Amino acid sequence: KNEVEQSPQNLTAQEGEFITINCSYSVGISALHWLQQHPGGGIVSLFMLSSGKKKHGRLIATINIQEKHSSLHITASHPRDSAVYICAVMTGGGSQGNLIFGKGTKLSVKP
Amino acid sequence: NAGVMQNPRHLVRRRGQEARLRCSPMKGHSHVYWYRQLPEEGLKFMVYLQKENIIDESGMPKERFSAEFPKEGPSILRIQQVVRGDSAAYFCASSPLGATPLHFGNGTRLTVT
Repeated sequence: KNEVEQSPQNLTAQEGEFITINCSYSVGISALHWLQQHPGGGIVSLFMLSSGKKKHGRLIATINIQEKHSSLHITASHPRDSAVYICAVMTGGGSQGNLIFGKGTKLSVKP
Repeated sequence: NAGVMQNPRHLVRRRGQEARLRCSPMKGHSHVYWYRQLPEEGLKFMVYLQKENIIDESGMPKERFSAEFPKEGPSILRIQQVVRGDSAAYFCASSPLGATPLHFGNGTRLTVT
């Protein structure tokens, strides 16, 4: 079993829909990252969080440390949101940047 | 302020040759990280460097791979005697002193023929 599991693996949505991507992890962590990988391959860091909730534009990330679970929400989805979304955790004993990555959720938003 | 710059974007090497991948961090960032993304697999941490120091190389293969971040110039990931299994996308990220989140480069896609 992977230490970081994401669901769903693939997700197709219609423009305007509310989207949720889930991430569960089995190790103790000091922080969790949500990343976006564009179809061209570039990676953008969306959020880094260790507790609670963060919001940036139409994106919201939440984390429940006790349940070892995080969610990424996209409100009013748009075709330009189509990308692979990757959850990554920094373990409590690991060095900064030594992340364990999920396999990613491939999102496709149809117009 | 330019982002993290990686070059080349694409690199083709024959088996047995050396591959050198370069990463220039964002201005003011003194921490550099290298990750590898094998085809159809997730990203994997390789190494974490500060200027002139390797902080964590727990993800580096034991042989043929090395990394440096000299006082002047970019960080270099060096793969000697490449094999087909080294074909992957290699990403570099940087962060300021003692802080994350990470800023990623666009990656170098290495193909070994």
